[in-house]
Amino acid sequence: ETGVTQSPTHLIKTRGQQVTLRCSSQSGHNTVSWYQQALGQGPQFIFQYYREEENGRGNFPPRFSGLQFPNYSSELNVNALELDDSALYLCASSSGQGAMKGYTFGSGTRLTVV
Amino acid sequence: GQNIDQPTEMTATEGAIVQINCTYQTSGFNGLFWYQQHAGEAPTFLSYNVLDGLEEKGRFSSFLSRSKGYSYLLLKELQMKDSASYLCAVYNDYKLSFGAGTTVTVRA
Repeated sequence: ETGVTQSPTHLIKTRGQQVTLRCSSQSGHNTVSWYQQALGQGPQFIFQYYREEENGRGNFPPRFSGLQFPNYSSELNVNALELDDSALYLCASSSGQGAMKGYTFGSGTRLTVV
Repeated sequence: GQNIDQPTEMTATEGAIVQINCTYQTSGFNGLFWYQQHAGEAPTFLSYNVLDGLEEKGRFSSFLSRSKGYSYLLLKELQMKDSASYLCAVYNDYKLSFGAGTTVTVRA
């Protein structure tokens, strides 16, 4: 059983640019969530996708957007990057909309905005 | 809003026991997770409590009191590999709300 894989592992972007991060869910999981983890902090919920529809969103501006594909892989897009967007971005997958069976996290993408 | 508090750092000796406390005040509650996260790695699942009481899983145990908004993670027979950050997270409305994490350092 494969876990959650994210790409790229590291990325450096300039303020104002756009970035796309990718996530492949664990086999059999149809729900994917994205979290932002700043240095020394716990992860913060960005949004969740279930069957290709966004069904929950945290306190992040609209320049954070996402997609889920029929194979349940997902993308996180961030437009007009700001310095404060520098963080570890984590993708987590689960089966069903709830976490009762547990979330599996990927190792994350470390984004640095300069 | 969501308020989840846990100590920033704890240090213990190899073979000892450490208890990491977590208190929470959240707008809803459907369960509490504990995750372990080594530097630069993915958080890995340790435990999930939805009812009051103690859940034991090998060297790790987790306790929940919903009326007190309180949980703890107990790590027994500490090993050097247990040096990591431990994250307390409340599950509600299809999302996890995390505390800032407790960095545990195990000394020889």
